[in-house]
Amino acid sequence: DGGITQSPKYLFRKEGQNVTLSCEQNLNHDAMYWYRQDPGQGLRLIYYSQIVNDFQKGDIAEGYSVSREKKESFPLTVTSAQKNPTAFYLCASSTGYLANTGELFFGEGSRLTVL
Amino acid sequence: AQKITQTQPGMFVQEKEAVTLDCTYDTSDPSYGLFWYKQPSSGEMIFLIYQGSYDQQNATEGRYSLNFQKARKSANLVISASQLGDSAMYFCAMRGINGGGFKTIFGAGTRLFVKA
Repeated sequence: DGGITQSPKYLFRKEGQNVTLSCEQNLNHDAMYWYRQDPGQGLRLIYYSQIVNDFQKGDIAEGYSVSREKKESFPLTVTSAQKNPTAFYLCASSTGYLANTGELFFGEGSRLTVL
Repeated sequence: AQKITQTQPGMFVQEKEAVTLDCTYDTSDPSYGLFWYKQPSSGEMIFLIYQGSYDQQNATEGRYSLNFQKARKSANLVISASQLGDSAMYFCAMRGINGGGFKTIFGAGTRLFVKA
């Protein structure tokens, strides 16, 4: 079955450590996205990528980094520069990047807790 | 700048009744798309319905309909015949052109409680 796989589902990190969240899709979608969700709040866009080897900052990119070396993969690194990284992270993909149609397909999310 | 506003943090509805969840948006893009997503307590995001800015008719998908009023920049979700399984967070979202490409932004969400 096609879909988006995020790993790990739960992750604990000590302060000062970088961590990388994995996101893989087999939907053949060109566009991929990373969102952050804090408890009881909406989704905020961290980074997004329309095509391979290209990505743009979203609204809260500081303290995060991404790469898009393959169409299927869009890993997110939460660096030690991120002041409050404890959150629920959602990866998504979509088709139709040349149009404003195309709903987002989401992974199941990764919950990061900083100890 | 693009913005989505959902002013109802929480809503209660009686089972089998209809409920309207409000969403207003702001954009300068001439063309954009509006979406509603459902997030149950499990955390997954489920796409419900889509409305294009140039669509003449309001979108419908089963028990979901989108009340699109372009001049007022509103895109309210109407759920008819509410079911207990409809209890969840609901997010309004908008996709449009932004600098280097299309991106989708979300509102803060409305938590819906369906009472038996």
